[in-house]
Amino acid sequence: KAGVTQTPRYLIKTRGQQVTLSCSPISGHRSVSWYQQTPGQGLQFLFEYFSETQRNKGNFPGRFSGRQFSNSRSEMNVSTLELGDSALYLCASSLGPRQGGNTEAFFGQGTRLTVV
Amino acid sequence: AQKVTQAQTEISVVEKEDVTLDCVYETRDTTYYLFWYKQPPSGELVFLIRRNSFDEQNEISGRYSWNFQKSTSSFNFTITASQVVDSAVYFCALSVTNTGNQFYFGTGTSLTVIP
Repeated sequence: KAGVTQTPRYLIKTRGQQVTLSCSPISGHRSVSWYQQTPGQGLQFLFEYFSETQRNKGNFPGRFSGRQFSNSRSEMNVSTLELGDSALYLCASSLGPRQGGNTEAFFGQGTRLTVV
Repeated sequence: AQKVTQAQTEISVVEKEDVTLDCVYETRDTTYYLFWYKQPPSGELVFLIRRNSFDEQNEISGRYSWNFQKSTSSFNFTITASQVVDSAVYFCALSVTNTGNQFYFGTGTSLTVIP
């Protein structure tokens, strides 16, 4: 069974540019969440998508956006990049809401974004 | 509000020693879920265990064991007879049903096992 695939693995962008990151979840998983990981702030939740709808959003500015497609693949976009956006962006795949409660999430290897 | 505290930032042990990683959580929800993840240098978070708030049974999986105590809001993780391959950053996380599958992570404990 294939794991969570994130592309690209590494990215270097200039301040002011925009970037799109992609995540393909595990087959059959309908929930995709995104996290930002930095040495200073740790792991912070960006948003969660389930069945193409944003289910929850973290405390990030509107420059950070995402979407989910009908095949559950997800993209996140960051516009007008700032130096502070340099981070490891992790995608998490899970089954989604079910009777047994919140489920474990499986993470991709992340996209390492460097803003210069 | 939900919060997870991992007070140990870094731990070093000699191979074959036992080590316990501490995790303390805060939530007012009565239904919640606790997780442990391992992050090796490759970057991805590897799922280790999930526990719901109604199941206080301790669990053992090979050299790994977990101690869940609601009375002290703790969910500690013990590695027995540590090995060099256990070197990684370990994260404890909490989720509650009314915020979807959002995970609240602790700051992580970096474990180094010295051969």
